Amino acid sequence: DTEVTQTPKHLVMGMTNKKSLKCEQHMGHRAMYWYKQKAKKPPELMFVYSYEKLSINESVPSRFSPECPNSSLLNLHLHALQPEDSALYLCASSQENSGFGYTFGSGTRLTVV
Amino acid sequence: QKEVEQDPGPLSVPEGAIVSLNCTYSNSAFQYFMWYRQYSRKGPELLMYTYSSGNKEDGRFTAQVDKSSKYISLFIRDSQPSDSATYLCAMSPYLGNQFYFGTGTSLTVIP
Repeated sequence: DTEVTQTPKHLVMGMTNKKSLKCEQHMGHRAMYWYKQKAKKPPELMFVYSYEKLSINESVPSRFSPECPNSSLLNLHLHALQPEDSALYLCASSQENSGFGYTFGSGTRLTVV
Repeated sequence: QKEVEQDPGPLSVPEGAIVSLNCTYSNSAFQYFMWYRQYSRKGPELLMYTYSSGNKEDGRFTAQVDKSSKYISLFIRDSQPSDSATYLCAMSPYLGNQFYFGTGTSLTVIP
């Protein structure tokens, strides 16, 4: 299995809703990431988990809450989002301290209304 | 100044053309260089990676790194309509978990 699987593929939520994005990989990767990508822009790093511990938080607002229940799973809990949070949310994984890139999932396209 | 600069295009070429995609960077500590391909509404897919300077070839794709000029390139030979996508360069100074992405170049190969 060489894939990163993200669910759901599309999500529409209101500003008062609570929802979660899910990510799963079975490649034995010990680093997992959340990225946010707006249209025609590069991915922006949000969070990095290394060995299931949060190692990087790029000053992301608290309405985004990551969770890594085990080495294969990564969640992103969403609450009280704003319309400007609408974007493609990408999960990725890599070998710990790998200089040779990530494996990305296909993303969740989030629309906040 | 951004860490990584990449011309966003769009770039449009006829099928069979040789495509050259480029990135420049300012941080001389970068040692690990990657190219990703991203189709519309999909996640980026790792195409090639190189360490330090030199060339690397994989099928129709060749990655070049010139550290003295802080310049990297991706060449696509015999371009195909299926190569139409956005190409992102990314780089890192060390074996770690953080990469710096270019803004991406949008490529269209016309049949």
